[in-house]
Amino acid sequence: DVKVTQSSRYLVKRTGEKVFLECVQDMDHENMFWYRQDPGLGLRLIYFSYDVKMKEKGDIPEGYSVSREKKERFSLILESASTNQTSMYLCASSLPGANSPLHFGNGTRLTVT
Amino acid sequence: GQQVMQIPQYQHVQEGEDFTTYCNSSTTLSNIQWYKQRPGGHPVFLIQLVKSGEVKKQKRLTFQFGEAKKNSSLHITATQTTDVGTYFCAEGGSNYKLTFGKGTLLTVNP
Repeated sequence: DVKVTQSSRYLVKRTGEKVFLECVQDMDHENMFWYRQDPGLGLRLIYFSYDVKMKEKGDIPEGYSVSREKKERFSLILESASTNQTSMYLCASSLPGANSPLHFGNGTRLTVT
Repeated sequence: GQQVMQIPQYQHVQEGEDFTTYCNSSTTLSNIQWYKQRPGGHPVFLIQLVKSGEVKKQKRLTFQFGEAKKNSSLHITATQTTDVGTYFCAEGGSNYKLTFGKGTLLTVNP
């Protein structure tokens, strides 16, 4: 079974802090994704990566950056956290190809105060 | 990805009743994936539909892809309390961007 592990389940940060959300998958998947989930807005894609050191912007990349130095790890970085980035962040991975099903982690609920 | 509209937003049923959620697009969809998210959980992949008119079944769940590939549905026969959760459709394209609908929250009264 694929396991996607997000380092924190809950996180509270202050406005202006630099925040790192870590995600590790154990199935050697090429593709990795970061989504945020907000009530009434569903899941929105922030960034994705289809190979090590590769990254592509999703639909809402503003205020975020990512890092993929190793195949199994995909980090989401909030350079200067703001209150509107309070959300549930979901990491996912998938096999190669554009339409492979996603395997999600348990999510990190981030609160920015 | 394209925008997919999902209806209804909420559905409350009595246990044993049927349930259907719909996913619609104004343009042709390349493929549709369905996910289920239990309360407090994360989305879990259920199925993928690719062909026009495709119908797939998983026990009490029936998934359909429209003939014109502009809509899809998920039907649950005789709901159980274990069916509670939010059901999402998602449209995939050639650019790796999987676009999710906003989901249908199903609650089941025992």
